Amino acid sequence: ETGVTQTPRHLVMGMTNKKSLKCEQHLGHNAMYWYKQSAKKPLELMFVYNFKEQTENNSVPSRFSPECPNSSHLFLHLHTLQPEDSALYLCASSQVTATSTDTQYFGPGTRLTVL
Amino acid sequence: GNSVTQMEGPVTLSEEAFLTINCTYTATGYPSLFWYVQYPGEGLQLLLKATKADDKGSNKGFEATYRKETTSFHLEKGSVQVSDSAVYFCALIPSGGSYIPTFGRGTSLIVHP
Repeated sequence: ETGVTQTPRHLVMGMTNKKSLKCEQHLGHNAMYWYKQSAKKPLELMFVYNFKEQTENNSVPSRFSPECPNSSHLFLHLHTLQPEDSALYLCASSQVTATSTDTQYFGPGTRLTVL
Repeated sequence: GNSVTQMEGPVTLSEEAFLTINCTYTATGYPSLFWYVQYPGEGLQLLLKATKADDKGSNKGFEATYRKETTSFHLEKGSVQVSDSAVYFCALIPSGGSYIPTFGRGTSLIVHP
């Protein structure tokens, strides 16, 4: 049990669809992250939230829209995606982002396929 | 900027063989260093970490020593098992600034019986 859950685990969508990914952490953490994991590429940090405030947007296209209503929940809203957006999307949490020693706890990921 | 370089995989070993996965980093100051492991169908989970020079992180028979002089954090295990088959990621968090993690590309380990 990692304490970080993600739904759905698998998602197939067309380029004109709108869908949302959900992440929930049960660890009492204050920082949450979205990562994109593609084959043969390094893990890409997309967004960081600290105490519900977005602190990092790593030049992510606007077709990805994050939302963090509270410290336990994180969403990634998707619209008009491209096939190259197909990847595993990982959510993570940590106590805070203001220390270099903090461990990140990852969810199992959502495997997204864009047709 | 910060970067982490890992050896290319896959690394293929027989059970009970010795494992080394190399990791070197580029960062200013004294970052914290981490090894994460990803089993098939799962997210990443922390394997071990070291927060200052000469520290040794260890867990489940795996070890890595923070070498400031060579900017390295190589992962080792004396005797691997089939259940160790996974992808291993080296990562750093800088000691100042934004504290945003940087990950390596990952190294796939395959252990045969």
